[in-house]
Amino acid sequence: AQSVTQLGSHVSVSEGALVLLRCNYSSSVPPYLFWYVQYPNQGLQLLLKYTSAATLVKGINGFEAEFKKSETSFHLTKPSAHMSDAAEYFCAVSDGQGAQKLVFGQGTRLTINP
Amino acid sequence: DARVTQTPRHKVTEMGQEVTMRCQPILGHNTVFWYRQTMMQGLELLAYFRNRAPLDDSGMPKDRFSAEMPDATLATLKIQPSEPRDSAVYFCASGSWYEQYFGPGTRLTVT
Repeated sequence: AQSVTQLGSHVSVSEGALVLLRCNYSSSVPPYLFWYVQYPNQGLQLLLKYTSAATLVKGINGFEAEFKKSETSFHLTKPSAHMSDAAEYFCAVSDGQGAQKLVFGQGTRLTINP
Repeated sequence: DARVTQTPRHKVTEMGQEVTMRCQPILGHNTVFWYRQTMMQGLELLAYFRNRAPLDDSGMPKDRFSAEMPDATLATLKIQPSEPRDSAVYFCASGSWYEQYFGPGTRLTVT
């Protein structure tokens, strides 16, 4: 079965610092991978997705993620954190071959310190 | 700006009562998902529909939960009877499996 593990349920960085949110996946087939963001009291919003094209994927709000098959990772980064980046971030993987749905990780809460 | 809408946004009910949550997907989206989010379990897929037909409801407790799409503009999730363990935020999403647009959620509290 496909799964994702997000390392660190809470990450805290200073404003202007690098943001690194870690995601490792397990998949028996070539995966599609996703990052979603959830702001307080809102639904999830798609940040970016990897669908077997370029391994470095750029998303909205300055975020990007790199698919590394050898490491089974899809870490999310942003060079310089902004206060508005404070939110919960979810990594997700497609659920198997001919996938019709996603399996989400447990989420990482990002806090930005002024 | 097309959005998924959900009603009600908040619902407090007593154990044993029926609860109905509604979702209006984005016009033109033919796939609708229902999720449940709790602190303990995270985000769980309950069911999803394509072209109003249920494709997978394996994540849903069958004895008390039911999901339907009476028409292309309305999806419903019902819980009967409700239990305290059903307290959660329920999200509807529409789009495709690789690009889902989430509604704001219904926060359900069962006392």
